[in-house]
Amino acid sequence: GDSVTQMEGPVTLSEEAFLTINCTYTATGYPSLFWYVQYPGEGLQLLLKATKADDKGSNKGFEATYRKETTSFHLEKGSVQVSDSAVYFCALKTADTGNQFYFGTGTSLTVIP
Amino acid sequence: DTAVSQTPKYLVTQMGNDKSIKCEQNLGHDTMYWYKQDSKKFLKIMFSYNNKELIINETVPNRFSPKSPDKAHLNLHINSLELGDSAVYFCASSQVRSTYEQYFGPGTRLTVT
Repeated sequence: GDSVTQMEGPVTLSEEAFLTINCTYTATGYPSLFWYVQYPGEGLQLLLKATKADDKGSNKGFEATYRKETTSFHLEKGSVQVSDSAVYFCALKTADTGNQFYFGTGTSLTVIP
Repeated sequence: DTAVSQTPKYLVTQMGNDKSIKCEQNLGHDTMYWYKQDSKKFLKIMFSYNNKELIINETVPNRFSPKSPDKAHLNLHINSLELGDSAVYFCASSQVRSTYEQYFGPGTRLTVT
């Protein structure tokens, strides 16, 4: 079945460090891929998405490229800030699964000054 | 305007009680979901409704009963609450198109004592 495997955390970085959070997926169809962010005490909000192979999603300095050949959608940011401290979730959705989203286990990021 | 709203935000109750959580979306979406998030931030899909019809019903105790009076509302009723029900419950909505993301509510933190 469809699934998402996400890099385990927690991740702790110093401010201005480079961030990579790995995400790989398994899907029978052609998925759309998403990164969500959850700030402390809040719900999940969409960070970026990509709907077909080789698409690059970007938002707030974060980027992720849909790589069909490696079934990956890694999240990157060149210079993290303290305000980026949150839990990040990778997710997929395919037409084959109807309306169901598959979420990774989440990666907690803490950025220290 | 809040896109997906949930009430209450916090719910503290004793074992054995019955409680309800309400969810409303004003985005015109046709699909709504309930998720349970545990203390390790793991998200588990519980239910999904499309146009008021139940389409996903994961393995959850039958003490949990969703009810969708219309497309904009999806409520969750829980009977005979147990300690293990303590978690954050998120409502979300989306459109059926596979490229379309989910929008999450702010969550309801349920504590069973």
